[in-house]
Amino acid sequence: ETGVTQSPTHLIKTRGQQVTLRCSSQSGHNTVSWYQQALGQGPQFIFQYYREEENGRGNFPPRFSGLQFPNYSSELNVNALELDDSALYLCASSETQPSYEQYFGPGTRLTVT
Amino acid sequence: QKEVEQNSGPLSVPEGAIASLNCTYSDRGSQSFFWYRQYSGKSPELIMFIYSNGDKEDGRFTAQLNKASQYVSLLIRDSQPSDSATYLCASSYNQGGKLIFGQGTELSVKP
Repeated sequence: ETGVTQSPTHLIKTRGQQVTLRCSSQSGHNTVSWYQQALGQGPQFIFQYYREEENGRGNFPPRFSGLQFPNYSSELNVNALELDDSALYLCASSETQPSYEQYFGPGTRLTVT
Repeated sequence: QKEVEQNSGPLSVPEGAIASLNCTYSDRGSQSFFWYRQYSGKSPELIMFIYSNGDKEDGRFTAQLNKASQYVSLLIRDSQPSDSATYLCASSYNQGGKLIFGQGTELSVKP
């Protein structure tokens, strides 16, 4: 059984650019959630996808958008990058709801200059 | 007031001692609670979750939940230097739903 994977590992972008981050769910998991973790803080919920539909969204502006594909992999897109978007972006997958356990991928470290 | 609050620490304990990590939450609608461990530069790793009042034990770890006091704790028995990490407490309103995290408590276990 493979775990949650994310790509790329690190990314450097310039303010105003757009970025796409990718996540492959753990085998058998059809729910994926995305979180943003700033340095020294706990992760903040961005949104969740269940069977390709958005299933909840946190307090993030519309320039944060996502997709989930039929194979349950997912993308996080961020437009018009701002300096404050610099953070560790984490995806977490879980089995068919209801399930308590969410497992995190290794994360993508995004730096916006 | 933050929804989930933790003392940021650092909490320092000697090897072999019991480490006690605490967390409070503000929303009584929260149903389940989680403890994650995060090593520096790594992603959070699920230790355990609890949704019923009382204690839940898993190896050296014991989670305690008191819904009346809106309080969750994690006890680590026989602490080891390898337990040194940041411990994140999180709540959720439902199974599989969004996790609301505290800022984490840094634990240092001294040999």
